[in-house]
Amino acid sequence: EIVLTQFPGTLSLSPGERATLSCRASQSISTSYLAWYQQKSGQAPRLLIYGVSSRATGIPDRFSGSGSGTDFTLTISRLEPEDFAVYYCQQYGSSPPTFGQGTRLEIK
Amino acid sequence: EVQLVQSGAEVKKPGESLKISCKGSGYSFTSYWVAWVRQMPGKGLEWMGIIYPGDSDTRYSPSFQGQVTISADKSISTAYLQWSSLKASDTAMYYCARPGDPDYWFFDLWGRGTLVTVSS
Repeated sequence: EIVLTQFPGTLSLSPGERATLSCRASQSISTSYLAWYQQKSGQAPRLLIYGVSSRATGIPDRFSGSGSGTDFTLTISRLEPEDFAVYYCQQYGSSPPTFGQGTRLEIK
Repeated sequence: EVQLVQSGAEVKKPGESLKISCKGSGYSFTSYWVAWVRQMPGKGLEWMGIIYPGDSDTRYSPSFQGQVTISADKSISTAYLQWSSLKASDTAMYYCARPGDPDYWFFDLWGRGTLVTVSS
């Protein structure tokens, strides 16, 4: 199965700053089948991005995704207070689907 | 409203059996896969398996094959996750989730989760 490694494990930033979260796959992900989720404490995950760069319904345009092959990035252009949470990448190009271990985005 | 409604929290003893549920509404339940995702305390997300209620086609992650059973009753738009003999290590939050597209397994609809606690 494809192993996804997210880094950094924790990212400490201030509101208004730019956040860059990375996700690296153990092998190439076919046809850009990579998604990103946000999970706040005590809540279910929320889909942010699918197909590497397509925003899910209702997701603000400060969230963007990029990458290909084995290296992918989620960028939050200007952090809002509600963006501090844990973020997971997920590949669905190979079975079984797998998630990264998560990046915690915390307020500095 | 399109939603997945999960059954309530459970507290069980090791060795007991358990079946938790996930009811879909507001969409064609038989036209979308339903997946189960585990989240152990303080840990990340793990994909357990998925079922297509239309024909009960079921796939499991190798990590969970033989450890759990996924089923569905399309007549009541409900998917299930069950254990025959629980272990303490099964203590976790379990989410059901629906793919955003019938052919691609990224998940745009999630239940609120069922917390399962296994303790003697």
